[in-house]
Amino acid sequence: QVQLVESGGGLVKPGGSLRLSCAASGFTFSDYYMSWIRQAPGKGLEWVSYISSSGSTIYYADSVKGRFTISRDNAKNSLYLQMNSLRAEDTAVYYCARGGPGGGDYWGQGTLVTVSS
Amino acid sequence: QSALTQPASVSGSPGQSITISCTGTSSDVGGYNYVSWYQQHPGKAPKLMIYEVSNRPSGVPDRFSGSKSGNTASLTISGLQAEDEADYYCSSYTSSSTRWVFGGGTKLTVL
Repeated sequence: QVQLVESGGGLVKPGGSLRLSCAASGFTFSDYYMSWIRQAPGKGLEWVSYISSSGSTIYYADSVKGRFTISRDNAKNSLYLQMNSLRAEDTAVYYCARGGPGGGDYWGQGTLVTVSS
Repeated sequence: QSALTQPASVSGSPGQSITISCTGTSSDVGGYNYVSWYQQHPGKAPKLMIYEVSNRPSGVPDRFSGSKSGNTASLTISGLQAEDEADYYCSSYTSSSTRWVFGGGTKLTVL
């Protein structure tokens, strides 16, 4: 069965960095677009970034462009999100999802990122 | 403010039908058939309920249906059940640099 497991969240000070990982299993990872979506406490969903199956096509939300970098390692069935220059407004649960704007059909359980001094 | 507009809340009694709207523009909902709907229970990850406007993933009950007219997409749930009480989000591909936009979410209460 399809499984997506995020890790790497935690408490970080403003201006700090964090790297999130998403371990995928149960499907051919290299065949699928992958995405990061976040949800601030008590708020709605916000798309962050997505990457094509080969990694050649990448898009970011304007709110994270220049600060976050998405990447993938198809040999390790893993998706990553490097987050730099973190701000308080980046505080959220970060989900990885299989797929892109056409529909994320499987989501992980999320990892909480808290940016606070 | 979210790119797609949804009502903040809707409610219905068990067995009834409800419809949640999702209004965008010709750059997103109206221009592409890449509208999706997600169900989210408290403390849980979102679950895909509808993709490409009206398609149901395997395992989603046929009580859930999607449609689109112009710049507005809709999710209809018929034969409401208690377990349908959740937050529902629409999303769409967009030609803007944002690429993927979500609605603000609708809280469904089953009375």
